[in-house]
Amino acid sequence: KAGVTQTPRYLIKTRGQQVTLSCSPISGHRSVSWYQQTPGQGLQFLFEYFSETQRNKGNFPGRFSGRQFSNSRSEMNVSTLELGDSALYLCASSLPSGASGNTIYFGEGSWLTVV
Amino acid sequence: KQEVTQIPAALSVPEGENLVLNCSFTDSAIYNLQWFRQDPGKGLTSLLLIQSSQREQTSGRLNASLDKSSGRSTLYIAASQPGDSATYLCAGGGATNKLIFGTGTLLAVQP
Repeated sequence: KAGVTQTPRYLIKTRGQQVTLSCSPISGHRSVSWYQQTPGQGLQFLFEYFSETQRNKGNFPGRFSGRQFSNSRSEMNVSTLELGDSALYLCASSLPSGASGNTIYFGEGSWLTVV
Repeated sequence: KQEVTQIPAALSVPEGENLVLNCSFTDSAIYNLQWFRQDPGKGLTSLLLIQSSQREQTSGRLNASLDKSSGRSTLYIAASQPGDSATYLCAGGGATNKLIFGTGTLLAVQP
């Protein structure tokens, strides 16, 4: 069973540009979440999508956006890049949520460097 | 503000030692707790999930417990090996799939 796949793995962008990251969840998983990991802030939740709808959103500016397609694949976009956006962006997939909790599976991440 | 704290921040032990990693959380809306492992430059690998109805979970040499009343979870690693060296992260979950992560414990197991 294939895991969570993220592309691209590494990219370098210039301040002011925009970037799109892609995530393919585990087959059968319809919930996809995105996280940002930086040395200073650790792992922070960006947003979660389920059945093409954003269900939950973290405390990030509107420059960060995402979407989910009918096949559960998801993309996130960051516009007007800033140096502070340099981070590892992690995608996670799981079964639909429930109060009991689901195991959440992460991809290898996309390393974004903004210069 | 939801907070998840991990102690210690770093730990170095000789091979073969048993060790305990601690995780505490302040948010009463955290129903379940997951432990992850992260190797340098890599994504997260799920180790154990303790669901809301459970108090502990075991997988091989790993055992994790959850005490929601005190807001604490521990990860016990038995007979540590150099291959266990990594950063260990705990994350609290609620009614959605949103996870609140701790700051992590960097573990080094010396051969």
